[in-house]
Amino acid sequence: DAKTTQPPSMDCAEGRAANLPCNHSTISGNEYVYWYRQIHSQGPQYIIHGLKNNETNEMASLIITENRKSSTLILPHATLRDTAVYYCISISSNTGKLIFGQGTTLQVKP
Amino acid sequence: NAGVMQNPRHLVRRRGQEARLRCSPMKGHSHVYWYRQLPEEGLKFMVYLQKENIIDESGMPKERFSAEFPKEGPSILRIQQVVRGDSAAYFCASSSKGQNYEQYFGPGTRLTVT
Repeated sequence: DAKTTQPPSMDCAEGRAANLPCNHSTISGNEYVYWYRQIHSQGPQYIIHGLKNNETNEMASLIITENRKSSTLILPHATLRDTAVYYCISISSNTGKLIFGQGTTLQVKP
Repeated sequence: NAGVMQNPRHLVRRRGQEARLRCSPMKGHSHVYWYRQLPEEGLKFMVYLQKENIIDESGMPKERFSAEFPKEGPSILRIQQVVRGDSAAYFCASSSKGQNYEQYFGPGTRLTVT
């Protein structure tokens, strides 16, 4: 499974868009990119995933570069409740298991 | 539509005792994953089960840990002869079709070994 790298922390002003980057330069053709977040010590929450096309759902948008070596998670209007650790995970379709890195701690400030 | 349920939410055991953690997947989900989060660390995969089968146990410690997901009833993660280093949050996740489908996590069981 490809290794992902994320900045350890980011700040965002409440109401503004939060753009969280992720590098996955060793990703292979069948590996999806998943995003999860963990608020305080709760169970991780699924956000979005994609293979090569950009994706959008009610929570966020996922922008994947054409060469698939990086992606950006966009929270369009961050709120204080979006403060969490965000994990970018690449996963092979053969395994199913999620390999969590250290993630990005997003702090949304009023 | 109930989510993934785990019980107990908090469990205290003395060294040498057994711990049993239960996970009821979301309705219609037949794939269960267990993860462990040690204090101040990230989540680590432990085991992936389908009904009555262990699919991937590459993250399970070689001794004292076992998992099952019977045809009826919840998935069980069992830790025998617990030690202080087993103190952690144990999360269960379920998915509808296993590989390449999103996993939904439960609230976790916080195990404290005294």
